[in-house]
Amino acid sequence: LAKTTQPISMDSYEGQEVNITCSHNNIATNDYITWYQQFPSQGPRFIIQGYKTKVTNEVASLFIPADRKSSTLSLPRVSLSDTAVYYCLVGDVRSGGSYIPTFGRGTSLIVHP
Amino acid sequence: SAVISQKPSRDICQRGTSLTIQCQVDSQVTMMFWYRQQPGQSLTLIATANQGSEATYESGFVIDKFPISRPNLTFSTLTVSNMSPEDSSIYLCSVERQGPDTQYFGPGTRLTVL
Repeated sequence: LAKTTQPISMDSYEGQEVNITCSHNNIATNDYITWYQQFPSQGPRFIIQGYKTKVTNEVASLFIPADRKSSTLSLPRVSLSDTAVYYCLVGDVRSGGSYIPTFGRGTSLIVHP
Repeated sequence: SAVISQKPSRDICQRGTSLTIQCQVDSQVTMMFWYRQQPGQSLTLIATANQGSEATYESGFVIDKFPISRPNLTFSTLTVSNMSPEDSSIYLCSVERQGPDTQYFGPGTRLTVL
């Protein structure tokens, strides 16, 4: 299981771009990188997933360098509603083929007015 | 996408009692998962529940404390037995999603044990 390291907390202001970097030095060849968002009193919500280079959806972009030992979640023009905990996860497909995410500490993002 | 509901959304219980949490999915799924999230902490997997078979528990979790039922492909329950204040947590159920491989999570059940 690849261990991930990400900052415990970050602060930003409305309208700014926020980049959260996650280190995963032991990522395996078959591992994907997945990011979740969790608001208080809610379950985690899938944001984005990627394997290499860049992935973009309506919510965020994910940048993965060639060595895949890190990844950066980019949130464009954050608003107060983006205040949440962001989790970076790598791999963990168990025997039988089921994908079971293993959550680390996550990054608590606070967006200020 | 899967829609997951949990009941109750929150409860306050006395120590020594048990609480059964229900998880309902709007589509049939093979595997359902139960997590615990203690205050200010990350999520920890309790067990994996397959329909028609015994749940598989993670290290540190036992069936006597957290019995799980999975009577059909859309429903599961988790019971927190003989509760103590240390069991105060949010309990979440989730289901697999494929393409991409990830999971959908329910809204959670916030349990407070006095």
